[in-house]
Amino acid sequence: GAVVSQHPSWVICKSGTSVKIECRSLDFQATTMFWYRQFPKQSLMLMATSNEGSKATYEQGVEKDKFLINHASLTLSTLTVTSAHPEDSSFYICSAREVARNTETQYFGPGTRLLVL
Amino acid sequence: SQQGEEDPQALSIQEGENATMNCSYKTSINNLQWYRQNSGRGLVHLILIRSNEREKHSGRLRVTLDTSKKSSSLLITASRAADTASYFCATSKTSYDKVIFGPGTSLSVIP
Repeated sequence: GAVVSQHPSWVICKSGTSVKIECRSLDFQATTMFWYRQFPKQSLMLMATSNEGSKATYEQGVEKDKFLINHASLTLSTLTVTSAHPEDSSFYICSAREVARNTETQYFGPGTRLLVL
Repeated sequence: SQQGEEDPQALSIQEGENATMNCSYKTSINNLQWYRQNSGRGLVHLILIRSNEREKHSGRLRVTLDTSKKSSSLLITASRAADTASYFCATSKTSYDKVIFGPGTSLSVIP
C-alpha cells in the first residue's frame, strides 16, 4: 500500500525556536496533503490543506503566519511551527491522497511529536 | 473543526465480546471512514463506506451507515486484547474533500 513518512518522528525544542516537519509520500504522487494536530486524549483537528504549487488553505482559527506550510513537490510538504511555545506541544500528523489511483483514501504518516520547553 | 460526536467516549469489554461504537455527523457526506489509533501512534485505516452504501464488512469489522439519521456504527466481533485502541470516524463532503474526524471512542479489551 501507499506509504507516507514524516520526519522527524519526535522533536524537543526551546520556546521561541522554529521547527520544521516534513511529510513525504514515498511511493506515490500527491497533489494534496493535509496537516492535522492532535492533543493528548483528543481527536485529530485539521489544520490546513496543502496543495502542490499553491498556497495552503487553513482551517478557521489556525494562524497561517505561525504554521507555515510549503508543498514544493508532488511528494513533499513541510510544516514549520514558527516561534514555538509550550502550547504548541502536540502530535502533528500529515496525510496524502494518491493522485494516480483516483481514490478517496488518505494515507496517514506516523506523526511527529513536538515538545516545546 | 470536528464533525459530530462518537458514542460512547470510552468502552471497556471482555475479550471475546462484541464492541459497538457509534458516530454521528452534522452535514451531508460523500463517504465515511473508520480509523484505529493505538496509543501515541499513527492511524490505521479500517474501512470506507460511501453514502450510497448501507453496510460493509471487513474481517471482524462491520460498518453500517444511515444517512437519514446521519449516523454510522462500527461493530468489532469477537474482540481481542489487541483491539485495544482509539477508534475514530471521519467524513468527507465530496470524494476528494478534506477528512474531518469525530472525537473518537477509546476501547479497552480486557484479556
